Amino acid sequence: QVQLVQSGAEVKKPGASVKVSCKASGYTFTSYGISWVRQAPGQGLEWMGWISGYNGNTNYALNLQGRVTMTTDTSTSTAYMELRSLRSDDTAVYYCASGDDILTGLASPFDYWGQGTLVTVSS
Amino acid sequence: SYELTQPSSVSVSPGQTARITCSGDVLAKKYARWFQQKPGQAPVLVIYKDSERPSGIPERFSGSSSGTTVTFTISGAQVEDEADYYCFSAADNKGVFGGGTKLTVL
Repeated sequence: QVQLVQSGAEVKKPGASVKVSCKASGYTFTSYGISWVRQAPGQGLEWMGWISGYNGNTNYALNLQGRVTMTTDTSTSTAYMELRSLRSDDTAVYYCASGDDILTGLASPFDYWGQGTLVTVSS
Repeated sequence: SYELTQPSSVSVSPGQTARITCSGDVLAKKYARWFQQKPGQAPVLVIYKDSERPSGIPERFSGSSSGTTVTFTISGAQVEDEADYYCFSAADNKGVFGGGTKLTVL
């Protein structure tokens, strides 16, 4: 069965960086991409971006460009999301989700989520 | 930036029909997905391509589209359907979620 397992909770100071991992299993990693979505405490979902599992092409949310980098390691079927220059409003649960690119994905039922990783930014 | 607008809350009694709308100009040109999220859990896809239901999703869940509005419907809502529901689509090749709707079934 498809599984996405994310790395554990992190506590970071403002200005630091965090790198969250997402290890996929149960499907061919290079056939789909990985989206990253975050959710601040008590708030709604925010799309952060998408990376192709096939060629590493990325598509980032405009408000995060310059601070976020998404990468993959196809040898371990693992995706990574690094967020730099952390601020208190980056405190959130970060989710990875497998699926097609943003447009193809809207018409696709392939959609599996990790368990989420809590990132807390506090001095 | 583009927005998808949902009501913040909807309340129904068990067995009634619950409808949640999502409005935005992009919906006239792009499909929408709907996600269900229960407290402390990751979101679950319940509708894709405006009205298609993934395998394993109850038949009482359905979706429809008209112009710039998509609607998620639960026909005969059950207590276990109480959750937050989010619509999702794309604008300028960027993903965008609606603000979410808290569905109360009691």
